[in-house]
Amino acid sequence: EAGVAQSPRYKIIEKRQSVAFWCNPISGHATLYWYQQILGQGPKLLIQFQNNGVVDDSQLPKDRFSAERLKGVDSTLKIQPAKLEDSAVYLCASSRDFNQPQHFGDGTRLSIL
Amino acid sequence: QKEVEQNSGPLSVPEGAIASLNCTYSDRGSQSFFWYRQYSGKSPELIMSIYSNGDKEDGRFTAQLNKASQYVSLLIRDSQPSDSATYLCAALDSNSGYALNFGKGTSLLVTP
Repeated sequence: EAGVAQSPRYKIIEKRQSVAFWCNPISGHATLYWYQQILGQGPKLLIQFQNNGVVDDSQLPKDRFSAERLKGVDSTLKIQPAKLEDSAVYLCASSRDFNQPQHFGDGTRLSIL
Repeated sequence: QKEVEQNSGPLSVPEGAIASLNCTYSDRGSQSFFWYRQYSGKSPELIMSIYSNGDKEDGRFTAQLNKASQYVSLLIRDSQPSDSATYLCAALDSNSGYALNFGKGTSLLVTP
């Protein structure tokens, strides 16, 4: 079974620029999550999708972050404009359903200059 | 704020010893708990899940859950240098879409 795929693996941008991340979950997984992990901390949920609907985006900074999951499969997370504090690893995870174990992709390491 | 607390460590144990990692959580509504292992520069990898009070064993790993005390632990028997990593404890948040609330992780170092 293929795992969660994410791209790019690394991204370096300047503050105020925009960036987008892509995630392809494990086949058949209905629930998709985006987490932000700052160095030395545990992952923090940004947004959760169930199929193509948003379940929880309460911790997503909506003035600069947006996410979508068209057709209930792939998802993209966008930051525009980026701030220095957005430097982190962005992890995508998926689970078979909303209360099942979550499996993580390799993440995208974002550096803001 | 629902919190999951872990000692950041580092916890250092000699090869072959038992490593004991502990976690407490604040949300009494949490019913499901997970331990993830994260190597430096890598993503979290699920190693154990536990849903009911008591012990759950899988190979060299044993997870323990005590809901009355709001306490979760992970024991690693016969620790190996390859077990050196950060161990993240997570509780499933049943009130907001079943996302995971993570602790900051405990760094484990197994010395040869």
